[in-house]
Amino acid sequence: AQTVTQSQPEMSVQEAETVTLSCTYDTSESDYYLFWYKQPPSRQMILVIRQEAYKQQNATENRFSVNFQKAAKSFSLKISDSQLGDAAMYFCAYRSASSEKLVFGKGTKLTVNP
Amino acid sequence: KAGVTQTPRYLIKTRGQQVTLSCSPISGHRSVSWYQQTPGQGLQFLFEYFSETQRNKGNFPGRFSGRQFSNSRSEMNVSTLELGDSALYLCASKPQENSYNEQFFGPGTRLTVL
Repeated sequence: AQTVTQSQPEMSVQEAETVTLSCTYDTSESDYYLFWYKQPPSRQMILVIRQEAYKQQNATENRFSVNFQKAAKSFSLKISDSQLGDAAMYFCAYRSASSEKLVFGKGTKLTVNP
Repeated sequence: KAGVTQTPRYLIKTRGQQVTLSCSPISGHRSVSWYQQTPGQGLQFLFEYFSETQRNKGNFPGRFSGRQFSNSRSEMNVSTLELGDSALYLCASKPQENSYNEQFFGPGTRLTVL
């Protein structure tokens, strides 16, 4: 069974600084997708960024980028120029290409200090 | 387009009762997945429906069931409620199965079992 591990239950960052959230996963499959989801307090979960396993190039979305290390099964999220609105729970998730089931990590609570 | 809607948003039940939660996906989306979110277990996959067929099921007891209608709306039912069923139940929809497209999450139904 696939597992996703987020080793940092909580992180904090100063506004305008950069922070990196860690995620590792375990799978025996070769075709899969990885995602970072953001869940603000009492608000809906939204997709931050996604990565296809077969793509070597790291995905970027504005201030958000990932460091995808397939051999190490690592998928970290870097948030640049952090903003107060970035404060939320961040979940790393894995999905096999043959299923819709998302396997989530336990999440990292990010606090942004003004 | 309207987002994923879930009703009711909040629900209080007592042990032994039964509950039905509803999810209306984004128009045109045919895949609907359900997740349970608790502080202890995190986000766990319940089941996924596509074109009225259950495609995947998570590791939950038979008290948890679901269905999908021809208009893609989905319901999940929990019978003989237990205190441990208290959770946020999230629904997510997607345009088609097993594609790169992201899943869009609803706001969730907060179920409290007393």
